[in-house]
Amino acid sequence: DIQMTQSPASLSASVGDRVIITCQASQDITNYLNWYQHKPGKAPKLLIYDASNLAAGVPSRFRGSGSGTDFSFTIISLQPEDIATYYCQQYVNLPYTFGQGTKLEI
Amino acid sequence: EVQLLESGGGFVQPGRSARLSCAASGFIFSDYAMTWVRLAPGKGLEWVSTISGGGGSTYYADSVRGRFTVSRDNSKDTLFLHMNSLSVEDTATYYCAQNWKIFKSWGQGVLVTVSS
Repeated sequence: DIQMTQSPASLSASVGDRVIITCQASQDITNYLNWYQHKPGKAPKLLIYDASNLAAGVPSRFRGSGSGTDFSFTIISLQPEDIATYYCQQYVNLPYTFGQGTKLEI
Repeated sequence: EVQLLESGGGFVQPGRSARLSCAASGFIFSDYAMTWVRLAPGKGLEWVSTISGGGGSTYYADSVRGRFTVSRDNSKDTLFLHMNSLSVEDTATYYCAQNWKIFKSWGQGVLVTVSS
């Protein structure tokens, strides 16, 4: 199975800050990587697909980059509504695997 | 608007069975593969199972293979997860998601608690 190592596990930031989360795959996954946002009690939400493509309706302050084994997710200017847990996910091979999650707090 | 609504969760004793349902609307259900993902307390998201649009192909995580069965009724736009031989490690919120590989839309989830 492909292991996805996500860091940090938790992060405290202020409104307006630039926030960066990283995700490292245990093998080359080209750009087969997605990022999701999950708020407690809510449905997870697709933010970024194929490493860098913004999903429909997602604000442009969310960015994704990377290829191969190293990826990053950036919130350009943190907003209060961005408080959530964020996950990366690879889909080059079954089983599709997620990172451990990054809990973002303000 | 895509809507996915899970049901069927609750308390289950170890070794017993349960069936989850996911009612879909807002898209042509049979055109899409569907996926189950779970979130156990204190853990991260875990892919559980995927079924093709026609239902002819199914895929499972090693942790559930042989115990869980995914199925769908395209005439009723409904996805199912039949769970047998449940253990405490299966305690989680179960989400259905549209598509495979890229999970475009998700339901709000249903909690399954396996406990004696």
